Amino acid sequence: EDKVVQSPLSLVVHEGDTVTLNCSYEVTNFRSLLWYKQEKKAPTFLFMLTSSGIEKKSGRLSSILDKKELFSILNITATQTGDSAVYLCAVGTGTASKLTFGTGTRLQVTL
Amino acid sequence: GAVVSQHPSRVICKSGTSVKIECRSLDFQATTMFWYRQFPKQSLMLMATSNEGSKATYEQGVEKDKFLINHASLTLSTLTVTSAHPEDSSFYICSARWGKETQYFGPGTRLLVL
Repeated sequence: EDKVVQSPLSLVVHEGDTVTLNCSYEVTNFRSLLWYKQEKKAPTFLFMLTSSGIEKKSGRLSSILDKKELFSILNITATQTGDSAVYLCAVGTGTASKLTFGTGTRLQVTL
Repeated sequence: GAVVSQHPSRVICKSGTSVKIECRSLDFQATTMFWYRQFPKQSLMLMATSNEGSKATYEQGVEKDKFLINHASLTLSTLTVTSAHPEDSSFYICSARWGKETQYFGPGTRLLVL
């Protein structure tokens, strides 16, 4: 059975801090790893990673994949209160690229 | 990013009735759409993969006669929850695959069965 594990489960930081969210996986027929941000409604897409060692960056967010060690990290620098959300990691497998989601990391950024 | 819409956003119905949820890809064609269910404080669980022009593929434990999926066009998939019961109350989210890998999600439908 495919498994995606995220840590920590929840995190409270002060505005301006840097955070690192972790995602490890055990799946068959890996195709991609995706990060999503979920606030009150459905997840919004952040990154898709398919190759090891290549950092994807968007503003204060960045992510990297290690296919040998089977994990990915999502970094957020200079956090803001608007970054408060649940961050979901999902791994795509098989020809249909079905996504298996982790349980998410709930991030709260306080003033 | 690509835009996916879902309708309705919220529905309350009586036990035993059927509810239809629509998922549309607004600015791209999606041969494959996915339906997920999310219970409070839990992650998304894939229910089924919807392929345009063919039967949906259901995940283990999901009753295909209860959750009817129709993918009639490249921009529309529908999920019908038949004879809904209170335990079907949940947040239902669809996604559409863009390109080979990325899925873009609709805003979700919150279903409450009384």
